[in-house]
Amino acid sequence: DVVLTQSPLSLPVTLGQPASISCRSSQSLVNSDGNTYLNWFQQRPGQSPRRLIYKVSNRDSGVPDRFSAIGSGTDFTLKISRVEAEDVGVYYCMQGVHWPRTFGQGTKVEIK
Amino acid sequence: EVQVLESGGGLVQPGGSLRLSCAVSGVTFSSYVMSWVRQPPGKGLEWVSTITGGGDSTYYTDSVKGRFTISRDNSKNTLYLQMNSLRAEDTAVYYCTTLKNLAGEDYWGQGILVTVSS
Repeated sequence: DVVLTQSPLSLPVTLGQPASISCRSSQSLVNSDGNTYLNWFQQRPGQSPRRLIYKVSNRDSGVPDRFSAIGSGTDFTLKISRVEAEDVGVYYCMQGVHWPRTFGQGTKVEIK
Repeated sequence: EVQVLESGGGLVQPGGSLRLSCAVSGVTFSSYVMSWVRQPPGKGLEWVSTITGGGDSTYYTDSVKGRFTISRDNSKNTLYLQMNSLRAEDTAVYYCTTLKNLAGEDYWGQGILVTVSS
């Protein structure tokens, strides 16, 4: 199975400061069609997960532009340019290339 | 407005069975690959199973193979998860989701709690 390793697992951030979450895969996430299917999800406290980013760096509709993501192959990063109070929650990366689908362990973002 | 509504959860004894349902409205249901994702209390997300739009292909995580069956009724716009031989480690909130790889909105239900305990 593909293992996705996120770091850090806990990320205390000051409001207005940037945050960065890493996701490393045990295998390449480049699909046979040439696309890289690495998604990022946000789960706010008490809510269902919500997809933020698909195919490495594409923001979903309605996602603030303070969220961005980059990466290729096996190394991926989600960035928040200036953390706001509503960004508190757990962030997961997920690969959509190999079966079984797998998620990272999650990174908990909290306000200092 | 798109709605994704899970039902059928609850408390069941180890070894018992439960069938989850997920009613989807507001989209052409048969066009969507559908999945179940679960989350044990206080833990992370775990993919459980996926079924293609026509129902011809299904995929399972190893820990549920032979015990869980995913299916769908496109005439009723409903996704199912039949869960047999339930174990304590199956205790989780189960989410019904499109779990999309591509552009377009990715839909998730509110989740339904399954508790396996004697």
